[in-house]
Amino acid sequence: GENVEQHPSTLSVQEGDSAVIKCTYSDSASNYFPWYKQELGKRPQLIIDIRSNVGEKKDQRIAVTLNKTAKHFSLHITETQPEDSAVYFCAASNNFGNEKLTFGTGTRLTIIP
Amino acid sequence: NAGVTQTPKFRILKIGQSMTLQCTQDMNHNYMYWYRQDPGMGLKLIYYSVGAGITDKGEVPNGYNVSRSTTEDFPLRLELAAPSQTSVYFCASMVGTSYTFGSGTRLTVV
Repeated sequence: GENVEQHPSTLSVQEGDSAVIKCTYSDSASNYFPWYKQELGKRPQLIIDIRSNVGEKKDQRIAVTLNKTAKHFSLHITETQPEDSAVYFCAASNNFGNEKLTFGTGTRLTIIP
Repeated sequence: NAGVTQTPKFRILKIGQSMTLQCTQDMNHNYMYWYRQDPGMGLKLIYYSVGAGITDKGEVPNGYNVSRSTTEDFPLRLELAAPSQTSVYFCASMVGTSYTFGSGTRLTVV
């Protein structure tokens, strides 16, 4: 089955700086890669996703890049703000998300004011 | 439209007890999932269902059972609770590529 590894497990950045979280996946058939944000005690919320036919996708301060050859994808957050502090999870699945998601182990992002 | 509703929100069980975690969605989604999230970890898939009457095992199904008699409901059953099942349980439903998670059930087995 699919295996998703995520790094780093914790990340602290100064407010206004950029944060990058990286994930690798093992199953070359995976073709859908969402990112979730989970605030303390809350449910995961989808923040951005990318499909395998796209190399990069951007939504305001958040972007995701995908390298299918290397089987890795990354989340980029620019101009970080205190409300970006949370745990971020990457995930992968095949069949464009109509199958089960395999999650990474999460990155706890702390924005230092 | 309430989305995905999970009950209870919190529960403490004694070793060997049984319980059912309820999950209901009102979005007419065919795909539903149960995940568990251990402290500081990601979500691991327990069971999933692609439609009423169809269920399948995920990554960590041992100690759990599910049923899917209707599109709306996907209950998760623990028959003999063990301390290793202490976790936060999330139910989710999906249509297209959009997952909707419930608010979670925090279960402690003592």
